Amino acid sequence: DGGITQSPKYLFRKEGQNVTLSCEQNLNHDAMYWYRQDPGQGLRLIYYSQIVNDFQKGDIAEGYSVSREKKESFPLTVTSAQKNPTAFYLCASSIGGGGHAEAFFGQGTRLTVV
Amino acid sequence: AQSVSQHNHHVILSEAASLELGCNYSYGGTVNLFWYVQYPGQHLQLLLKYFSGDPLVKGIKGFEAEFIKSKFSFNLRKPSVQWSDTAEYFCAVSNLKAAGNKLTFGGGTRVLVKP
Repeated sequence: DGGITQSPKYLFRKEGQNVTLSCEQNLNHDAMYWYRQDPGQGLRLIYYSQIVNDFQKGDIAEGYSVSREKKESFPLTVTSAQKNPTAFYLCASSIGGGGHAEAFFGQGTRLTVV
Repeated sequence: AQSVSQHNHHVILSEAASLELGCNYSYGGTVNLFWYVQYPGQHLQLLLKYFSGDPLVKGIKGFEAEFIKSKFSFNLRKPSVQWSDTAEYFCAVSNLKAAGNKLTFGGGTRVLVKP
């Protein structure tokens, strides 16, 4: 069953701690993305990767880091430098290339800082 | 930088009413346009997309959208809604000249259909 798997579904973090969100896809997609969803603000792009071992900052990359060591995996680390980390995080993937590709989304991880 | 505006944050309507959600984008070049839907507790899924050709696009579940280039708009419509259409709807744009095929999303519109 092809798709995108995000884990965990819910995550609690203490202030000052780093936390890593997992995203795995078995769609053989080249491109992967991390978005943050906040009420009334839609989805905002954090980081994206077009190919293994390469990634670029999105619109709100500060306080986040990513890696892309394998095609199927694109983990996101929320660092202690992120001022307002409580949010719903969505991972997506697409075939990539020059447009005409829809993005497929995972179920999301809800991160709460306590 | 491109941006996407969705005019209504919340819409409440009764079953069988018609629905129209507005979406405007700012980029003047060639774009791909999408509407995604997020049903309660479910992941985002694609409703419909426009790449080129006929500006009236039909999607799943009876939805359609019309691309009007002169107005930079891509409004979503459904002639008769059902209770199961209760969801949050997102308009999104990708710019063919930008690297990474990344999507820019609007703020979303929460639609509540009363039975």
